[in-house]
Order: sequence, then C-alpha cells, then structure tokens
Amino acid sequence: NAGVTQTPKFRILKIGQSMTLQCTQDMNHNYMYWYRQDPGMGLKLIYYSVGAGITDKGEVPNGYNVSRSTTEDFPLRLELAAPSQTSVYFCASSPRGGTGELFFGEGSRLTVL
Amino acid sequence: QKEVEQNSGPLSVPEGAIASLNCTYSDRGSQSFFWYRQYSGKSPELIMSIYSNGDKEDGRFTAQLNKASQYVSLLIRDSQPSDSATYLCAAYNTNAGKSTFGDGTTLTVKP
Repeated sequence: NAGVTQTPKFRILKIGQSMTLQCTQDMNHNYMYWYRQDPGMGLKLIYYSVGAGITDKGEVPNGYNVSRSTTEDFPLRLELAAPSQTSVYFCASSPRGGTGELFFGEGSRLTVL
Repeated sequence: QKEVEQNSGPLSVPEGAIASLNCTYSDRGSQSFFWYRQYSGKSPELIMSIYSNGDKEDGRFTAQLNKASQYVSLLIRDSQPSDSATYLCAAYNTNAGKSTFGDGTTLTVKP
C-alpha cells in the first residue's frame, strides 16, 4: 500500500534551472495538494486540484505550475529556479466527500544555489 | 492576521504531565479541524480530527473545538518523550476544498 509517493526526495538546482517534482497516489483520491514548508514554519499551499483537469492556485503559486491529467498524478513544475524556492515540498491527497483529512507523501527537499 | 494562529513555542513539559496546544482561526467557513504531528525531517501525520463543538477523546489525546470563539485545542495527557514533535493545527474549508495550516508548536517532553 504505497499511499502518496513523491520523487525525488532530494535535489540541488542551480539558479535558473527548471525541474518537475513528481507526485502519485494510489488511493483513488480526487483532491491533491502541493505545499511547501520553510524552516520553522507551517505549510503553505502552492496549488491544488479537486479532480483531473482542474487546478487552482493556493497562497504562494508564483514560480510554479501544475497539471492534473489523471486522478493519480499531480506533478509540480518549477520554472527558472530561484533561491527563494529552497524548501521542503509536500504532496498530499484527500478523498472527495471526506472531511479534509490529508495524506502526505514523504516530502522532497529542494535546494537552489 | 494569519488565518490560523498557534501559540508560540517551544513548549516544554516533564514526562507524565499534560501538554496543552492552542489554535485560533479566522475563516468562519472552516468546518473541519485537524491536528497533525510532525517529527523532525518527516512528513505530517494526522493524529486528531474534530468537526463539532465540544471535546473528542482518542487515547491520551483530547481535541476541543469552540466555533463561536474560533478556537481549537489539543491536550496530550501523560506526555511521553515520544510525543516530542511539532504539532500543526489545520482548518479545512469544505466549499474551497483546502486546508490552511498554522506555523506549528514544537513540544519537548523531558524524561
């Protein structure tokens, strides 16, 4: 039972590079989310999706893009990486019709130098 | 004002004591409330959920909700060193389909 799987777990980028953080879930959850967590802080919502083909911005979407072509996958794209994007990124999912409980992946630690 | 605010830590309690964690929220559209525990370097894990006013108990954990005061709390009885972690409060707006998190309170339980 894999749950929510994120790859890669660690990545170092140079300023201006681009990359995609992968997230996949096998629980047939409709809702998926990307959060970032800076040191000593809570989780800030970047983008979320309530179903395939539907995405919406969260609190801090600038510098990121997402797509949701399938129920299982919700990749997060970083374009033109900047040092301010150094953070830990968590993907999470939640069942539609549920009460909002989140199931998290293990996180992806990104450093931009 | 932050949408979800938690009492600033860190909080330190001796083993066996009661730890009290507090949270207030500003979005009156929030309908579900959650406490997540996060160990250092790990992802958050759900430990308590509460949806209606009053208390909800699960083992050593009790969550309390007062929607009129927009207040949520978590009590941990008989605190253990293994409870040492950061506790995140989250408020979920069903209509928006998303949760907002507080900055967390770090709890240390000293043997």
